[in-house]
Amino acid sequence: EDKVVQSPLSLVVHEGDTVTLNCSYEVTNFRSLLWYKQEKKAPTFLFMLTSSGIEKKSGRLSSILDKKELFSILNITATQTGDSAIYLCAVEAVVAGGTSYGKLTFGQGTILTVHP
Amino acid sequence: DTGVSQDPRHKITKRGQNVTFRCDPISEHNRLYWYRQTLGQGPEFLTYFQNEAQLEKSRLLSDRFSAERPKGSFSTLEIQRTEQGDSAMYLCASSFKAGVYTGELFFGEGSRLTVL
Repeated sequence: EDKVVQSPLSLVVHEGDTVTLNCSYEVTNFRSLLWYKQEKKAPTFLFMLTSSGIEKKSGRLSSILDKKELFSILNITATQTGDSAIYLCAVEAVVAGGTSYGKLTFGQGTILTVHP
Repeated sequence: DTGVSQDPRHKITKRGQNVTFRCDPISEHNRLYWYRQTLGQGPEFLTYFQNEAQLEKSRLLSDRFSAERPKGSFSTLEIQRTEQGDSAMYLCASSFKAGVYTGELFFGEGSRLTVL
């Protein structure tokens, strides 16, 4: 059974701090690792990573994947109060026929709180 | 608003009653998913449709749960004889098959079920 473990479970920082969120996984026939942000209700997509060592970057957020050690990190620099949210890590496996279709296995999430 | 919409947003019911949730995906999306999320956990996959065909259903889903997607547009998730353990947020998501796969699922804001 596919498994995703995130750490820390919660994190409290002040604006301007840099944070690193961790995600380790076990999955048969790995296809991709994804990061989502959940502020109130609906998770919203941040990154999809498929190759080791290639950093994905969007503004102050960046993420990288290590397929040998089976983990990923999400970095947020110069945090703002608007970054307060639950950050979800998920993995997707390749299914029969070499395809995938969006069945994701999520971790329990990291609750990030950024104080002014 | 052209995002994924779900109805009702909140449902309170007594144990043993049946409930039905509706999801309207983004119109050009042919893939539709149902996930369930409980407090402090990430979303858990329930089932997946491609057009009107239900292609996968989680083994964790009891026979009391049924989902349909007639005509490949909106979808309904019915829970019969609800139990207190069914209390959760039921999230619907959609994605588009064709084109470059980005891993992005578009989630609705969810239907929160409380079983008394």
